[in-house]
This record gives sequence, structure tokens and C-alpha cells, in this order.
Amino acid sequence: NAGVTQTPKFQVLKTGQSMTLQCAQDMNHEYMSWYRQDPGMGLRLIHYSVGAGITDQGEVPNGYNVSRSTTEDFPLRLLSAAPSQTSVYFCASSYTWGPYEQYFGPGTRLTVT
Amino acid sequence: KQEVTQIPAALSVPEGENLVLNCSFTDSAIYNLQWFRQDPGKGLTSLLLIQSSQREQTSGRLNASLDKSSGRSTLYIAASQPGDSATYLCAVTHNQGGKLIFGQGTELSVKP
Repeated sequence: NAGVTQTPKFQVLKTGQSMTLQCAQDMNHEYMSWYRQDPGMGLRLIHYSVGAGITDQGEVPNGYNVSRSTTEDFPLRLLSAAPSQTSVYFCASSYTWGPYEQYFGPGTRLTVT
Repeated sequence: KQEVTQIPAALSVPEGENLVLNCSFTDSAIYNLQWFRQDPGKGLTSLLLIQSSQREQTSGRLNASLDKSSGRSTLYIAASQPGDSATYLCAVTHNQGGKLIFGQGTELSVKP
């Protein structure tokens, strides 16, 4: 199993551009989520999904959209990039919603200029 | 609101020492607590998962304990090695769902 994969590894955007961060898992996990990691702020939840077709907002959802059309994929869309969205983004998955071990992808380092 | 705190923020020890990392949380209504390791520029690797009904978990030289009533967990690393140098994060899953709430991490440096 590849586990949780994320692409791209690095990305530079100009303010106002849009892009999609890709996340996929091959473990047939129902629960998937996106976090951002910033110095001094730790990891914060952006959006999560408890299954295909079901998504919900986390702690810091503004400026991001998600959809979940398949069990395997959970892309994160930046609608109009802002310098405040410069961060490292991690995707995670677990068996289902609840007390299960969560597995993280390698991250995408995004810079918005 | 659940808050997770890790002390110390940074720790430097000589190789071979046994050490303890601390994690505290404010709300005991948790499903579980998970310890992660993060190497610079890398993702998070799960080390140990302790369910709320458990007191401890062990994996190799690592032992994690959980005292839900006092809101504390410790990660014990035996006979530390330079390869243990990394940032260690603890996170709790609140029992209202699967969302992880993270501490700020402890940056560990093990000197040869």
C-alpha cells in the first residue's frame, strides 16, 4: 500500500491564482481530512469528510473548498490564493469517524507571493 | 474548548539518556491520544495510539502513558539515539468526532 499520497510536494502561487492540492489514499478509509501547519500555530483542521459525498468544515475553512466524489480522493481547492495561505498542508485518513489511528501524507509546501 | 500543551518546547540530551516528553489536555472527554514524530520538512509518522480506556502502550524503546482523569500523557524514550532527533507531537481525538487537536510539539535533539 502507498498509504496517503499528496501532490504536488512544492508549489508557488501568485496572489489571486487558484489551484488544487491532491490527496489520495489506498486503504479504503472512510474518514479524510486536511490540516495546515504554521509556525507557532501548530496543526489546524481545515475540512474533513466522513465518506464519499459528505464534507464539513474544520477550524480554519475560509478560502478553501473540498469535495469527495470517491472514497480514495479528497482534493483541497484554493479559490483565490492569499499570502496568508502560505503554509504546509497535510492530508490524513483513518478507517472511519471516531477513535481510530490517523495516517498522514508527506505534505505540500505552498508559498503564495 | 479542548487545548493541548506540550512541555518542554525543546529538549537536548546526550545519546543514551532515557527521557520523558509531556503532553497535557484540558478536556478529558477524549476517544484516544496519539503520539507522532515529524522529521524536518517531512510528514507525520504515527508512533503510538492509546485508547481512552487504556493506561499505556509500548513499541520498542517507546512507552506512552495516559492518565485521562488528570489530563496528562507522557512519552518515554529509552536509551535515546541521534536518530531519535525530531519533533514529537501529541494529539487528542475528542469523543464528539474524529478531529485531532494537536499540541505545539517538543523538538528533541539527541547529541552523539
